[in-house]
Amino acid sequence: QQPVQSPQAVILREGEDAVINCSSSKALYSVHWYRQKHGEAPVFLMILLKGGEQKGHEKISASFNEKKQQSSLYLTASQLSYSGTYFCGTVQDGSSNTGKLIFGQGTTLQVKP
Amino acid sequence: NAGVTQTPKFRILKIGQSMTLQCTQDMNHNYMYWYRQDPGMGLKLIYYSVGAGITDKGEVPNGYNVSRSTTEDFPLRLELAAPSQTSVYFCASSYPGQGASGNTIYFGEGSWLTVV
Repeated sequence: QQPVQSPQAVILREGEDAVINCSSSKALYSVHWYRQKHGEAPVFLMILLKGGEQKGHEKISASFNEKKQQSSLYLTASQLSYSGTYFCGTVQDGSSNTGKLIFGQGTTLQVKP
Repeated sequence: NAGVTQTPKFRILKIGQSMTLQCTQDMNHNYMYWYRQDPGMGLKLIYYSVGAGITDKGEVPNGYNVSRSTTEDFPLRLELAAPSQTSVYFCASSYPGQGASGNTIYFGEGSWLTVV
């Protein structure tokens, strides 16, 4: 049930781009992306819903391939503030009324000057 | 504008002791959650609730109990604490209606628990 994220870790220089992937073996209703700084709570980035609706920050982009049960988070022109651990969370199709949100293991992103 | 409030923030327990982590939200959210996060690891769902009087198990419910007598409160009870329960615990809540399925969930600041 737990989604799988890749890569596990990424190191970038400021201004470089990165893609973080999230995949599930189950059909999905929604995919959620959060970023967590060390010692802090996760912070919302984006939600992608079955059917194409997206909600999130304007500067964050992501995709959701419903047929493949995969989502990707695109981080472009990275800044130092992008450093942290990124988590995808998924709600399985058929569980949308329960809101049962399961998170992946996380991808650690480090942006260097 | 409190949001999701968890208490205590830090606690050290001895093996075999019991305690309750408190969580309250003032946003009138129907859906509430408890997650645990071990050092360097992801978030694991312990229990969740879709409304007062309704709770369900998540991925790792063993050793924990919850109750939801009001919309605002969702306490997590640890019975017979074990070292394996050393973790950071996050309570979260989301908008009414679709719940977390299609809406943002808001996390509390976390409760750091050490069992020795």
